Amino acid sequence: NAGVTQTPKFRVLKTGQSMTLLCAQDMNHEYMYWYRQDPGMGLRLIHYSVGEGTTAKGEVPDGYNVSRLKKQNFLLGLESAAPSQTSVYFCATQPRGPTYEQYFGPGTRLTVT
Amino acid sequence: AQSVTQPDIHITVSEGASLELRCNYSYGATPYLFWYVQSPGQGLQLLLKYFSGDTLVQGIKGFEAEFKRSQSSFNLRKPSVHWSDAAEYFCAVGARGSQGNLIFGKGTKLSVKP
Repeated sequence: NAGVTQTPKFRVLKTGQSMTLLCAQDMNHEYMYWYRQDPGMGLRLIHYSVGEGTTAKGEVPDGYNVSRLKKQNFLLGLESAAPSQTSVYFCATQPRGPTYEQYFGPGTRLTVT
Repeated sequence: AQSVTQPDIHITVSEGASLELRCNYSYGATPYLFWYVQSPGQGLQLLLKYFSGDTLVQGIKGFEAEFKRSQSSFNLRKPSVHWSDAAEYFCAVGARGSQGNLIFGKGTKLSVKP
C-alpha cells in the first residue's frame, strides 16, 4: 500500500500562475485535509473534506480552492499564486470516526517567485 | 478558543540523556491529545495519543507522555535519546465534537549531540 501520496514533490511558480496539488490515498479513509507548514508557524489547516463531494474551510483558506470528486483524491488549487503561498503543503487522511488520528503524506514544497 | 503551546522552539540534548518536551493546551473540556514527529524532509508520523483513561501513555520508538489535567499539560518524555531521534516534534489537540480537526503547536526542534 502506498498510503498517502502527493504530487508533485516540488514546484516553482511565478506570481499569478495557477496549479493543482494532488493528494491520493489507498487507505479508504473518509476524511482528508490540506495543511501548510511555514517556519515557526506549525501546521495550519487550509481546507478539509469529510467525504466524497464535501469540502469545508479551515483556518487559512483564502487563495485556495479544493475538490473531492473521488473518495481517494483531494485536490488543492491555487488560481493565482502569490509569494505568500510559498510553503510546504501536506495532505493528511483520517478514518471515519472521527478518530483524530491523521496520516500524512510526504509533502509538496512550493515556491512562488 | 483552543490553542496549543510548545514553549521550547529548539532543544539540544546529548545522546543517551533523558528528554522532556513540553506541551500546554487550552481547552474547556478534556481534549484528545497527540504527539507527532517530523524527520527532515518527511511528513508527520503519530508517536502517541491520549483519549481517556490512564494518564501515562506509551508510544512508538520508546516515547511516553503524561496528561496532567491540573497543569493543562501533555509532556513528551524519553529516558535515553538516540541520534535518530533528532527531528521536529509537534503537539496537537483535537476538539471533541469537531470533524476530526487538529490544532497543532508550533513545534520543538530536537538536536542530539554525539
